Amino acid sequence: DTGVSQNPRHKITKRGQNVTFRCDPISEHNRLYWYRQTLGQGPEFLTYFQNEAQLEKSRLLSDRFSAERPKGSFSTLEIQRTEQGDSAMYLCATRTGFSYEQYFGPGTRLTVT
Amino acid sequence: AQSVTQPDIHITVSEGASLELRCNYSYGATPYLFWYVQSPGQGLQLLLKYFSGDTLVQGIKGFEAEFKRSQSSFNLRKPSVHWSDAAEYFCAVVPRLGAGSYQLTFGKGTKLSVIP
Repeated sequence: DTGVSQNPRHKITKRGQNVTFRCDPISEHNRLYWYRQTLGQGPEFLTYFQNEAQLEKSRLLSDRFSAERPKGSFSTLEIQRTEQGDSAMYLCATRTGFSYEQYFGPGTRLTVT
Repeated sequence: AQSVTQPDIHITVSEGASLELRCNYSYGATPYLFWYVQSPGQGLQLLLKYFSGDTLVQGIKGFEAEFKRSQSSFNLRKPSVHWSDAAEYFCAVVPRLGAGSYQLTFGKGTKLSVIP
C-alpha cells in the first residue's frame, strides 16, 4: 500500500454513460498525475496537477474527459459519454515537489459494455 | 523520437534462477530512470530509481539495476527469483531537461513467469 487510494476499484458502465473516478493522494504530495493503461501496454500520461492547478494535458485527453483537483487535495477524473475504447485501467500517481519518484494508487478498472 | 524499449514481452524462468530484464532508452540527455512492478489487477510499485552517481542501484525485494550510459540501458537483475516475483515489470523514464510535468514515459512491459 503506497498511501495513494483510488475509488472505485472497478466500474462497469454502459456505453454513453458518464463515470467519475476519485484519487486521494499521500497527504504531503502536491503533484498528482492521471495515467491510462490498456491491456498489454504501459501506462500513458493523461494529465498533471500541481496543487489545484491543472498544468498539462495529453492529446489522449479528449474533450469527453475532465479532471479536477479542488483545493489541491483529492482529484476526480470524469469521462462523459463513455465509449468502448475507454475501457482501461485508470491510474493515479502522486509525488512531492522535491523528488521525481511517483507513487501509484491501485487503479480503477473501467469496463464499458 | 524519444522512447523507452523493453525488448522482451514475456520471460519465463525457473525459481531460484537469475533474472535480467532489459530496458533501453532513446533520449538526448540521460533521463531519470525507474523500474516498477505490477501484480495482476494492481497498481505499480516502485522497485528502484537512478538519478545520478553509482551506476549500480539497489532496490526493494532483492532487485538491482545497472545504468550503462554507453548502451543507453538500465537493466534490472535479481540473482535468485522467487515464485512471488511473477508479475509485469515496467521500465520508465522522466526527461531530465526542461520544465513541465516530469511525467513518466513507460516501456510496454515485460511479463515474468516463474516455474516452480
